[in-house]
Amino acid sequence: DAKTTQPPSMDCAEGRAANLPCNHSTISGNEYVYWYRQIHSQGPQYIIHGLKNNETNEMASLIITEDRKSSTLILPHATLRDTAVYYCIVWGIYNQGGKLIFGQGTELSVKP
Amino acid sequence: EAQVTQNPRYLITVTGKKLTVTCSQNMNHEYMSWYRQDPGLGLRQIYYSMNVEVTDKGDVPEGYKVSRKEKRNFPLILESPSPNQTSLYFCASTDFRDYGYTFGSGTRLTVV
Repeated sequence: DAKTTQPPSMDCAEGRAANLPCNHSTISGNEYVYWYRQIHSQGPQYIIHGLKNNETNEMASLIITEDRKSSTLILPHATLRDTAVYYCIVWGIYNQGGKLIFGQGTELSVKP
Repeated sequence: EAQVTQNPRYLITVTGKKLTVTCSQNMNHEYMSWYRQDPGLGLRQIYYSMNVEVTDKGDVPEGYKVSRKEKRNFPLILESPSPNQTSLYFCASTDFRDYGYTFGSGTRLTVV
């Protein structure tokens, strides 16, 4: 079973920041938080990951709480092309053969 | 361009007719995996491979076979397809370093 909890859906206005929350209260010390997204029925796409520090790349920012029990993915200026299902995944190389365990994700709709 | 290539993208076949879905990656990744995606059930791992000649079952391996004779290729074999194997299939690879998994574009299989 997935170790994360996400809201099933969210809306965001185009050009505004999209903040996608994720709870992972049972995360272990050696597990990372990964975010992927899936646009329509394409293959999931890696966005960003972190262990305990906040991270930023050209796509998004990841804010992880100090106790590591939750995180937020931030898309700073959402566009219509960011409409997708976003998956928050807790992953550890030593856990279950290093596989990704997908939950149901958050369906983000970016509206004009 | 770094990528995972799956073929075919779409396939309609009849029950019992053996088929192979090919997967190839050009990133020299050691780890490769197959997932299937079904409505309401999400993405589930079928088989994975840690390296050449090393494969193991995932969560839903029944009815599937895989082989890993070369590092770049990881074909998925359905010896006797059945309608319950109608699904969207994704191949993925990773080196467990900075960028998570890279997924293929998917193969939509229909078994009638």
